[in-house]
Amino acid sequence: AQSVTQPDIHITVSEGASLELRCNYSYGATPYLFWYVQSPGQGLQLLLKYFSGDTLVQGIKGFEAEFKRSQSSFNLRKPSVHWSDAAEYFCAVGAKNAGNMLTFGGGTRLMVKP
Amino acid sequence: DAGVIQSPRHEVTEMGQEVTLRCKPISGHNSLFWYRQTMMRGLELLIYFNNNVPIDDSGMPEDRFSAKMPNASFSTLKIQPSEPRDSAVYFCASSLELDSNQPQHFGDGTRLSIL
Repeated sequence: AQSVTQPDIHITVSEGASLELRCNYSYGATPYLFWYVQSPGQGLQLLLKYFSGDTLVQGIKGFEAEFKRSQSSFNLRKPSVHWSDAAEYFCAVGAKNAGNMLTFGGGTRLMVKP
Repeated sequence: DAGVIQSPRHEVTEMGQEVTLRCKPISGHNSLFWYRQTMMRGLELLIYFNNNVPIDDSGMPEDRFSAKMPNASFSTLKIQPSEPRDSAVYFCASSLELDSNQPQHFGDGTRLSIL
């Protein structure tokens, strides 16, 4: 069975600082990997996705993530955080040939200090 | 383009009442997913459909929960009778098709409170 771990429940960074949110997954084959962001009272918005090919993927809002098979990780990064990035971030793994079912991590809540 | 539309956005009702949550997927999407989000359990997949047919309902917590998709543009999630522990945010998501690399697109959710 697939699983996703986001080790950091809360992270606080200063505006303008760099950001890295960690995600580790467990899956027997090459996974589909996703990062979603959820603002308060909103649904989940897709930031970026990895299916194959280049292991560094670019997403919306200046985010990027790197797939590292050897570490079973898919960490999300942003070089300079803006106050509007404060939200909850979810990493998810999708199982190919299993209905594209998503398993979500527990989420990381990002707070941005002025 | 219209995204996934859920209604109502908020529902407050007394325990024992029937609750019906509604979802309109993105036009042309063949797969539809219902999730529940709580502080304790995070995001849980309840059930998903492909071409209006339920594929996997193993996440449905109890027989009090049921879901239908009578056509490609509408799905319901029903709880009867409702209980306070059903209080959560319920999300609907849709994607183009199963077994593909198409991402799921989420609605804004229904915040359900059972008193």
